[in-house]
Amino acid sequence: SQQGEEDPQALSIQEGENATMNCSYKTSINNLQWYRQNSGRGLVHLILIRSNEREKHSGRLRVTLDTSKKSSSLLITASRAADTASYFCATDRNSGNTPLVFGKGTRLSVIA
Amino acid sequence: KAGVTQTPRYLIKTRGQQVTLSCSPISGHRSVSWYQQTPGQGLQFLFEYFSETQRNKGNFPGRFSGRQFSNSRSEMNVSTLELGDSALYLCASSLEGGVDGAFFGQGTRLTVV
Repeated sequence: SQQGEEDPQALSIQEGENATMNCSYKTSINNLQWYRQNSGRGLVHLILIRSNEREKHSGRLRVTLDTSKKSSSLLITASRAADTASYFCATDRNSGNTPLVFGKGTRLSVIA
Repeated sequence: KAGVTQTPRYLIKTRGQQVTLSCSPISGHRSVSWYQQTPGQGLQFLFEYFSETQRNKGNFPGRFSGRQFSNSRSEMNVSTLELGDSALYLCASSLEGGVDGAFFGQGTRLTVV
């Protein structure tokens, strides 16, 4: 079963706008990661935030983590048409060498 | 540094056949994980191999199996294929199991007819 659940399932915005995607998870984690997938291709690692961090930035990406609410958000600022993709959060349970578990993703469409 | 290589990229098989998919991880990475991706179920974890040993296993039937060689290359095998096995199979390479980030191959698109 999915550990993480992204919300919304789909998001459509205009180029230049900001896009916010949310992820909720169920159990304690070591860290939370966000990945991007262009249609039918492999996933690309975007950013990792550790359980003791609250916010992290990487270029136009900003990730927040609220462990008390078991949730994270990914903000993409000044979106571009090239940002059109599916975005997934992934978590690993805070108990030994457990595999990454992915949510079902948010499909982002950026319209030029 | 070469990325993760999955072969073949596309496969069409008939129900009842078996298939073997291959994954060459990034040099130095000892962990290889396999995922099945379908529109309905999303990314489902199949198994993880670390230093030639299966370290984690997902909730898939015994028809799905894998192995890892001493050079960290991994193969997964699906026997007695069913229509529902049609999916994108993704391999992820990492140093220690993906906890610090994983690198994915482009996937193998398997179609069972």
